[in-house]
Amino acid sequence: ETGVTQTPRHLVMGMTNKKSLKCEQHLGHNAMYWYKQSAKKPLELMFVYSLEERVENNSVPSRFSPECPNSSHLFLHLHTLQPEDSALYLCASSQGGASSYNEQFFGPGTRLTVL
Amino acid sequence: QQPVQSPQAVILREGEDAVINCSSSKALYSVHWYRQKHGEAPVFLMILLKGGEQKGHEKISASFNEKKQQSSLYLTASQLSYSGTYFCGTSKSDSWGKLQFGAGTQVVVTP
Repeated sequence: ETGVTQTPRHLVMGMTNKKSLKCEQHLGHNAMYWYKQSAKKPLELMFVYSLEERVENNSVPSRFSPECPNSSHLFLHLHTLQPEDSALYLCASSQGGASSYNEQFFGPGTRLTVL
Repeated sequence: QQPVQSPQAVILREGEDAVINCSSSKALYSVHWYRQKHGEAPVFLMILLKGGEQKGHEKISASFNEKKQQSSLYLTASQLSYSGTYFCGTSKSDSWGKLQFGAGTQVVVTP
């Protein structure tokens, strides 16, 4: 595997389910990000981890819970979601910490549908 | 606050040029440009920093006007592969990669 991978690629869940999205980066980076991309809306930054420490929580509801066990892996735990949470969830990584000087490499995303 | 991109969409014929603008109401530290093709991940194109430093794609050019808080991306002699949605992401400081993205500009290049 190369680059940034995300699993699953598609997920359909009910509002009472609990699921997790997984992201893995194979680039040796030390910063990782979760973004939400909804139809006809700009990319929204959700969380930033730098050196495995969460450094940004962009006013995200508590039904989204991130986890970064090491610099290569990032999870997004989901529970009691709402239909408006349906979107493409993108993971990204960058080198040199989470400086805005460094380009971010994105994964292909997980298409989430909440019924 | 999110940057404003213009135009929202542009249709080009192969070989034509286009300019995409990204404007912010606040002072900027950096501007990132990414391109996303349908169903694919956004791909990095270029970063422009306050002070004039740039890094990115050899075949893509961009400018950063600090006074106007605006960046422009230049698509020159467009190719079919240039089709996609172009996003700018801006940051106010060198902190935590916190980028605010614009709504995107959809570019369609036709033969």
